Amino acid sequence: RKEVEQDPGPFNVPEGATVAFNCTYSNSASQSFFWYRQDCRKEPKLLMSVYSSGNEDGRFTAQLNRASQYISLLIRDSKLSDSATYLCVVNSPDYKLSFGAGTTVTVRA
Amino acid sequence: ETGVTQTPRHLVMGMTNKKSLKCEQHLGHNAMYWYKQSAKKPLELMFVYSLEERVENNSVPSRFSPECPNSSHLFLHLHTLQPEDSALYLCASSQEQGANSPLHFGNGTRLTVT
Repeated sequence: RKEVEQDPGPFNVPEGATVAFNCTYSNSASQSFFWYRQDCRKEPKLLMSVYSSGNEDGRFTAQLNRASQYISLLIRDSKLSDSATYLCVVNSPDYKLSFGAGTTVTVRA
Repeated sequence: ETGVTQTPRHLVMGMTNKKSLKCEQHLGHNAMYWYKQSAKKPLELMFVYSLEERVENNSVPSRFSPECPNSSHLFLHLHTLQPEDSALYLCASSQEQGANSPLHFGNGTRLTVT
């Protein structure tokens, strides 16, 4: 089983729509979770950390479900500029960060 | 403007060439990393340096040789590469080597081995 798994998508949504997707992780001892965003042919950039209680940053909401070992990202009121690949990143207890292969989101006008 | 700068942006090399990738971070971070990103695959950690000491070598073939002369600079020396080594090579830094320190990536070197 892969350490971090993501639905590759693509998720094609119209502007203004809400899109959500999950990421599952295999190591129940994982402590830190992040979402990164990667635009086409660019480097990944930190979008947000994911806290146990869930957190929101503008139109983006991240949730953590430890019991089922997944994190989620929800994007409200999608913008064209939200089109990107979203990478799920999970730590392991020995401080190694494991990356998912990414979920591609395409927002259309 | 990125705090982590990589050069070159693109590199085409033959299997018998020797080349080097360079990374410089201006963030005052103590840890630096090399990652490989192949199409449709997760980022693969190659090497980790913390305070200029190599702390991780993820079973990377010896044709990849890292060098960290100081906490701001990281190199990846390449020799006798294979076509399957073609990928995006990303340098990253973090405040400390640890799970709670987010990574800051450079813009990558897109390598093609012919």
